[in-house]
Amino acid sequence: NAGVMQNPRHLVRRRGQEARLRCSPMKGHSHVYWYRQLPEEGLKFMVYLQKENIIDESGMPKERFSAEFPKEGPSILRIQQVVRGDSAAYFCASSPYTGVQNTEAFFGQGTRLTVV
Amino acid sequence: AQTVTQSQPEMSVQEAETVTLSCTYDTSENNYYLFWYKQPPSRQMILVIRQEAYKQQNATENRFSVNFQKAAKSFSLKISDSQLGDTAMYFCAFMKHYGGATNKLIFGTGTLLAVQP
Repeated sequence: NAGVMQNPRHLVRRRGQEARLRCSPMKGHSHVYWYRQLPEEGLKFMVYLQKENIIDESGMPKERFSAEFPKEGPSILRIQQVVRGDSAAYFCASSPYTGVQNTEAFFGQGTRLTVV
Repeated sequence: AQTVTQSQPEMSVQEAETVTLSCTYDTSENNYYLFWYKQPPSRQMILVIRQEAYKQQNATENRFSVNFQKAAKSFSLKISDSQLGDTAMYFCAFMKHYGGATNKLIFGTGTLLAVQP
């Protein structure tokens, strides 16, 4: 059973370009979370998605950032018109469900975005 | 809003010795989970140990144990018989216990642990 797969591992974009980060959750997992880790900082929650639904986007910047988790295929975190301050490691985590008892989230290895 | 504080940016320990990493948190919730994650240079986030707030007994996982003080909102990690492979960044994290919309994690800023040979 493959773990959470993120690609690419490293992504370099010029200022003003678009960045697309992909996350394939573990098999059987229908919940995906995106976190951002700025240099020398901890991970900060960005968005929580279920298939075809955004459940909580309270951590997403208001502009330029969007996320989706379609019925088929990976979850995508999209950053439009990137700026140097977007340079960070972006982590995806997945879990099987959120019910009465919260469950453990399994993390991918992250995508390191560098904006030049 | 919940916050997690790790006041030790860096720690160092000799191989085979014991080290304790500190974590405090602030919440008005009564039911929640606390975690310690390890992030080695590979950047992979690895769950080390987990504690349910409603359980009084401290969690243990082999060489890793916690000292959970609910009233003091303290959640320290003890690593016994430290090994070189324990060298990593360690993050303390909080998660609400709620059968609802989200179980996002709130992370501290991390403690960089170096195990010296």
